[in-house]
Amino acid sequence: DGGITQSPKYLFRKEGQNVTLSCEQNLNHDAMYWYRQDPGQGLRLIYYSQIVNDFQKGDIAEGYSVSREKKESFPLTVTSAQKNPTAFYLCASRAIQSNQPQHFGDGTRLSIL
Amino acid sequence: DQQVKQNSPSLSVQEGRISILNCDYTNSMFDYFLWYKKYPAEGPTFLISISSIKDKNEDGRFTVFLNKSAKHLSLHIVPSQPGDSAVYFCAASDHAGNMLTFGGGTRLMVKP
Repeated sequence: DGGITQSPKYLFRKEGQNVTLSCEQNLNHDAMYWYRQDPGQGLRLIYYSQIVNDFQKGDIAEGYSVSREKKESFPLTVTSAQKNPTAFYLCASRAIQSNQPQHFGDGTRLSIL
Repeated sequence: DQQVKQNSPSLSVQEGRISILNCDYTNSMFDYFLWYKKYPAEGPTFLISISSIKDKNEDGRFTVFLNKSAKHLSLHIVPSQPGDSAVYFCAASDHAGNMLTFGGGTRLMVKP
């Protein structure tokens, strides 16, 4: 089955620790995205990547870092510099050439204890 | 400053009737608009889109209308079904599908 896999579904970390959220896709999509959703709000773009080894900041990149070493994978690190990291994190991917919409994974809920 | 707004946080509709969800935007550079449906603890699922060269796009029970002069789009669901109960997000982009800006969502409840 083709799709986007985010793991784990729930993640707990102590304050001050960095944490990395996994996103893998087997759709052969070139572009991948990370969003954050807070309760009662829409999704906000953190980072995106249109090609391997290249990525751009979105609207709320501060306190986050990403890497794109493989086409299939786009991990997001929430660093200790992120002031309010507790949120629902969503990864998406898209086939740029065919002008398709973004497809989303099922998200990771991160809670900082 | 929100560039995409969904002013109704919730909407309740009787099964079989029409659901109309509204979305306003301020950025004139947006030329591609999408609607996503989201259940709790899941990722959004793409529903329907429209480019700025059209004013209507239909897919089964779902129709999206775009009024560029008013910077307004709406999603019509008819007939509404209980399974349509979810949060609906509109999103906009200045390139087809990249750099999406989302509205805050509208929770639709369809009562049997």
